[in-house]
Amino acid sequence: NAGVTQTPKFQVLKTGQSMTLQCAQDMNHNSMYWYRQDPGMGLRLIYYSASEGTTDKGEVPNGYNVSRLNKREFSLRLESAAPSQTSVYFCASSFDHRGWVTEAFFGQGTRLTVV
Amino acid sequence: DQQVKQNSPSLSVQEGRISILNCDYTNSMFDYFLWYKKYPAEGPTFLISISSIKDKNEDGRFTVFLNKSAKHLSLHIVPSQPGDSAVYFCAAISPYNTDKLIFGTGTRLQVFP
Repeated sequence: NAGVTQTPKFQVLKTGQSMTLQCAQDMNHNSMYWYRQDPGMGLRLIYYSASEGTTDKGEVPNGYNVSRLNKREFSLRLESAAPSQTSVYFCASSFDHRGWVTEAFFGQGTRLTVV
Repeated sequence: DQQVKQNSPSLSVQEGRISILNCDYTNSMFDYFLWYKKYPAEGPTFLISISSIKDKNEDGRFTVFLNKSAKHLSLHIVPSQPGDSAVYFCAAISPYNTDKLIFGTGTRLQVFP
């Protein structure tokens, strides 16, 4: 039982390069999320997907795109990386928050450095 | 605009004593609160939660208290153990934005022998 799996674990990009962070969950969860963690800022929501086929912006969506490929997979794309996107990225998933509320399960994180 | 705030970035406690981590929120519509624990190089893991219809929830050494009038919650760890050393995040959910967990900035707890 893998839970939430993110790839890659580490990545270094040059400014302007693009990349996609992959995330998959095997818990049959409906909702999936991408967060970034920065010192002193906590975990900030980038994008989320309440169900297969839907995506919505979170607090800090600029510079990112997402795809909910199917119920299991939710990818995050940086089209043109900037140094401000240097961060640790976490994917998470959960059951619907209504009926009854459940907690989100997180992946191990991707440490991204943009130089 | 930080809706969930953890004003203490760090806390140091002796092993065996009580650790109290605090969290304040601004949105009165939040109706469910969670605490997560995070070790270095790992993803956050769920610790304990509380619904706004309760004022206390207990799970072993961990107790969460909610004071709705003050928009304040706290996590008590008794007794504290060295393995509790981690970053603790509180998070909140609003019934009007049910797909979003809003996290605080985290408090780094260090438990020393």
